[in-house]
Amino acid sequence: DTGVSQDPRHKITKRGQNVTFRCDPISEHNRLYWYRQTLGQGPEFLTYFQNEAQLEKSRLLSDRFSAERPKGSFSTLEIQRTEQGDSAMYLCASSLPGPYEQYFGPGTRLTVT
Amino acid sequence: QKEVEQDPGPLSVPEGAIVSLNCTYSNSAFQYFMWYRQYSRKGPELLMYTYSSGNKEDGRFTAQVDKSSKYISLFIRDSQPSDSATYLCAMSSSSNDYKLSFGAGTTVTVRA
Repeated sequence: DTGVSQDPRHKITKRGQNVTFRCDPISEHNRLYWYRQTLGQGPEFLTYFQNEAQLEKSRLLSDRFSAERPKGSFSTLEIQRTEQGDSAMYLCASSLPGPYEQYFGPGTRLTVT
Repeated sequence: QKEVEQDPGPLSVPEGAIVSLNCTYSNSAFQYFMWYRQYSRKGPELLMYTYSSGNKEDGRFTAQVDKSSKYISLFIRDSQPSDSATYLCAMSSSSNDYKLSFGAGTTVTVRA
């Protein structure tokens, strides 16, 4: 399977714990995006990378959130001191740079209890 | 007001019917328009990708863009129960470096 992959698919954590998600993009795609989707809503942009450079962070991304793409390949999204409001589907997408299609992974569903 | 508006439905149609979905938007800078299909608890799957105004057809799917009205549509002909899903419109522009802005999604059920 050469599509976008994400791990884990589902994470249940207690409030206050830290969690980390991983995204592996399509291999030739140097753009990687993170989105968050809550129930009944469309995905909302969080941050994106071109190669290893993080180009923008949404104001939705509080200081508790950090993302990295250290070698321009896979990316990680970490949430520190999770809150119940962080419960959502975290989606990763990749594309070539420019006006090209973004392909999404299966998402990581986070439940904070 | 949201940048992209989409009626959440739900929409229920009999098998074989034409499904008509639409979105309106407020940002005139949007140039690229997409439709994604999302099954429950899955990631969005790209169905159609169009640039600027006009029509695009792919099998049973037709996407229309009317930039003058800031209105896009997706039509699904000969709908099948397997088309039951949430359909998300999305759009982007070069001025926003192609980050996607999504509608809320329309939930469609095709009854056998």
